[in-house]
Amino acid sequence: NAGVTQTPKFRVLKTGQSMTLLCAQDMNHEYMYWYRQDPGMGLRLIHYSVGEGTTAKGEVPDGYNVSRLKKQNFLLGLESAAPSQTSVYFCATLPGDTEAFFGQGTRLTVV
Amino acid sequence: RKEVEQDPGPFNVPEGATVAFNCTYSNSASQSFFWYRQDCRKEPKLLMSVYSSGNEDGRFTAQLNRASQYISLLIRDSKLSDSATYLCVVKVPQGAQKLVFGQGTRLTINP
Repeated sequence: NAGVTQTPKFRVLKTGQSMTLLCAQDMNHEYMYWYRQDPGMGLRLIHYSVGEGTTAKGEVPDGYNVSRLKKQNFLLGLESAAPSQTSVYFCATLPGDTEAFFGQGTRLTVV
Repeated sequence: RKEVEQDPGPFNVPEGATVAFNCTYSNSASQSFFWYRQDCRKEPKLLMSVYSSGNEDGRFTAQLNRASQYISLLIRDSKLSDSATYLCVVKVPQGAQKLVFGQGTRLTINP
């Protein structure tokens, strides 16, 4: 999906380290989402944003923070990484009442 | 009760078989419904939207039953390339457009 770019694509962290995942979109979509996917769990919503400057908690927000200072960027932060945050993270955008567009995912391992 | 539930499978069927998946959702205010396909933990990709009147795209047919709150996906004449995880996705209007995913159904087509 050329319109949604996630960085980095892979990362290994030590317990207690911090990092920020970036989701960038060039489609001018209002809604942006961060999900995590674990084996057998499907995609679970961490946080989402309905527009620049606004964020809201999803299903599993603990241990994460987000910011949407610019409409095109949605950042997901881990202040103090834990092994339970080892997962694949997907960003998605939504233009309205149509399909969602996904980034290619970030594979994070916390050791 | 989960907002969106799917039979996780796995489904193992021979090539050429017909296979059907069901998905139930709990929020009667849900507005839009989709089937996504996901390969090997890559990003989900839209397979088809699901409309009240039912819709068909080649070998794939999707149905929505609002009264019983379930959606279905039928794959006819299955191909080896249909092997993937199929995700049921429901858009829920809870203050903002929120996408809720089922846990996914793993399908393997055997030669």
